[in-house]
Amino acid sequence: QSVLTQPPSASGTPGQRVTISCSGSSSNIGSNTVNWYQQLPGTAPKLLIYSNNQRPSGVPDRFSGSKSGTSASLAISGLQSEDEADYYCAAWDDSLAGEVFGGGTKLTVL
Amino acid sequence: QLQLQESGPGLVKPSETLSLTCTVSGGSISSSSYYWGWIRQPPGKGLEWIGSIYYSGSTYYNPSLKSRVTISVDTSKNQFSLKLSSVTAADTAVYYCASVYSSPRGVLDWFDPWGQGTLVTVSS
Repeated sequence: QSVLTQPPSASGTPGQRVTISCSGSSSNIGSNTVNWYQQLPGTAPKLLIYSNNQRPSGVPDRFSGSKSGTSASLAISGLQSEDEADYYCAAWDDSLAGEVFGGGTKLTVL
Repeated sequence: QLQLQESGPGLVKPSETLSLTCTVSGGSISSSSYYWGWIRQPPGKGLEWIGSIYYSGSTYYNPSLKSRVTISVDTSKNQFSLKLSSVTAADTAVYYCASVYSSPRGVLDWFDPWGQGTLVTVSS
């Protein structure tokens, strides 16, 4: 049971916009910034969004993040086949004094 | 740019200690803005943070693993290491090391970059 809650799966067709939610609590998302990671099949996770809504260099602007209260969302617009991957949200938890991850969302491009 | 590489045995017997090392290249492990962390991923499952260390030796550990985990740093070799004792089959996972940005507020923030990961299997 992960501290942060994500839907196990999401899907969309090429060109569509999809969103992935991440729900937490006042001790994690409510108090700290949220980061998102993309894990392509058979590879290590890669930082996708940091500090709620910032994109590292090289990440397309099709990817965007937002946070409100104790929840966060990752949006992917203009969905492409290469976006098929697992997506994880993460945040620092003040109560646990540790980093917590969501359970991950498997995105399928139909 | 910064690169991290995990190394260590791929097979560990139950009840023994798992030992892994992460070698950092392209930058100094003594950088003031970064911690260094370990994350694992059991086959087919999600990510679990194990712990993180600062170059000074200050550490944060996952409370669920704290009693079995030791993370250390060797600044002369630009490496940090993980030891996980009394392992069971449940510790079978891909183990990743990563650089961890430390925010001005003093909490750990994003992991970037990550090493490629190394699979450790616990089996007799």
